[in-house]
Amino acid sequence: DAMVIQNPRYQVTQFGKPVTLSCSQTLNHNVMYWYQQKSSQAPKLLFHYYDKDFNNEADTPDNFQSRRPNTSFCFLDIRSPGLGDAAMYLCATSGASGALGEQFFGPGTRLTVL
Amino acid sequence: QKEVEQNSGPLSVPEGAIASLNCTYSDRVSQSFFWYRQYSGKSPELIMSIYSNGDKEDGRFTAQLNKASQYVSLLIRDSQPSDSATYLCAVTGSSGDKLTFGTGTRLAVRP
Repeated sequence: DAMVIQNPRYQVTQFGKPVTLSCSQTLNHNVMYWYQQKSSQAPKLLFHYYDKDFNNEADTPDNFQSRRPNTSFCFLDIRSPGLGDAAMYLCATSGASGALGEQFFGPGTRLTVL
Repeated sequence: QKEVEQNSGPLSVPEGAIASLNCTYSDRVSQSFFWYRQYSGKSPELIMSIYSNGDKEDGRFTAQLNKASQYVSLLIRDSQPSDSATYLCAVTGSSGDKLTFGTGTRLAVRP
């Protein structure tokens, strides 16, 4: 089945220790998104790629970086995680923009910062 | 003013009843409207999309859109305990390629 895969599902890191989360998709979608979601809050968009065109949200901290080496893969790098970065990180894909824009989410990575 | 507003709930309904979830949005040029279901600790799952005024039905789910009132709703008929989850309303902005989410309404279906 076509899907969005995230690894790892659970990640524990230490304060200040860099961490990389990965996302892959078999949907051949051209748009990929990274969201951060904290408990009882709406998903917050960090950035998205339209093909290789990177779009950063204005309020995304510099501590967060992303790479998309090809259509199928996208990575989220957190350079120096703080306690406030503990959250669920969600990857999503979309096959169209404009009037369609349905997004399909991976299972998420739960990040714990000690 | 929040861009997408939902009552946080919890909305408690008995099994077999109709659950009605509501959402209002502020951007008049919004084009696409979505309902996602999110179980505790899981990722959002798309359950309904609606793009034009009126009703759209899919099984036990009906989405209703009123662009003049900037209002979108989700009806769940014959509610089941397995429907207990948080329901997120999401709207595309004027750019069309980004979703703005509400904070969700928690639904609890009592057996």
